Amino acid sequence: DAKTTQPNSMESNEEEPVHLPCNHSTISGTDYIHWYRQLPSQGPEYVIHGLTSNVNNRMASLAIAEDRKSSTLILHRATLRDAAVYYCILSGGSNYKLTFGKGTLLTVNP
Amino acid sequence: NAGVTQTPKFRILKIGQSMTLQCAQDMNHNYMYWYRQDPGMGLKLIYYSVGAGITDKGEVPNGYNVSRSTTEDFPLRLELAAPSQTSVYFCASSSSVGDRNQPQHFGDGTRLSIL
Repeated sequence: DAKTTQPNSMESNEEEPVHLPCNHSTISGTDYIHWYRQLPSQGPEYVIHGLTSNVNNRMASLAIAEDRKSSTLILHRATLRDAAVYYCILSGGSNYKLTFGKGTLLTVNP
Repeated sequence: NAGVTQTPKFRILKIGQSMTLQCAQDMNHNYMYWYRQDPGMGLKLIYYSVGAGITDKGEVPNGYNVSRSTTEDFPLRLELAAPSQTSVYFCASSSSVGDRNQPQHFGDGTRLSIL
């Protein structure tokens, strides 16, 4: 399975934008890029996913590099509730076997 | 909709005991999954099912069994519990309709300690 590389932790201030990077240099043509997040003591929560084009939804935006070897999850205005571990995951064309790494722990300062 | 419901939320077992972790979803999802999460780590897939009567192994299936007799329920059985199975267990489900990358919906987890 293609692997992803994320920073262990990042810090942000409330109401500021947050850019969470993910490197996936061995991504294949059929791999989708998924982002999930896990709030403390909860199960993971779907955030967004995409293949080639940038994607937007009510929670976040996903910016995918032209060569698809990296992507960035963008939270437009961080809130305290966005403090969580964020996972960047590749799937081989389906979501059957999502492989979760350690993710990025996002701390949001008031 | 309640989504994905896991019971119990917490459990302590003695070594060698067995138990069943329950998972039910009310979203009519065909796909269901069991993961475990050890402290400070990401989730690892134990078993998954693409429909009633169909199950398959994930990354870490040893020591576990599953069954899927209905669309709604996907219980996980631990036989002969071992300390290495101390973990948080998450059940998830996803739809098989349309895009093959439908989001997975997770339950709140079962925290299991084996002493």
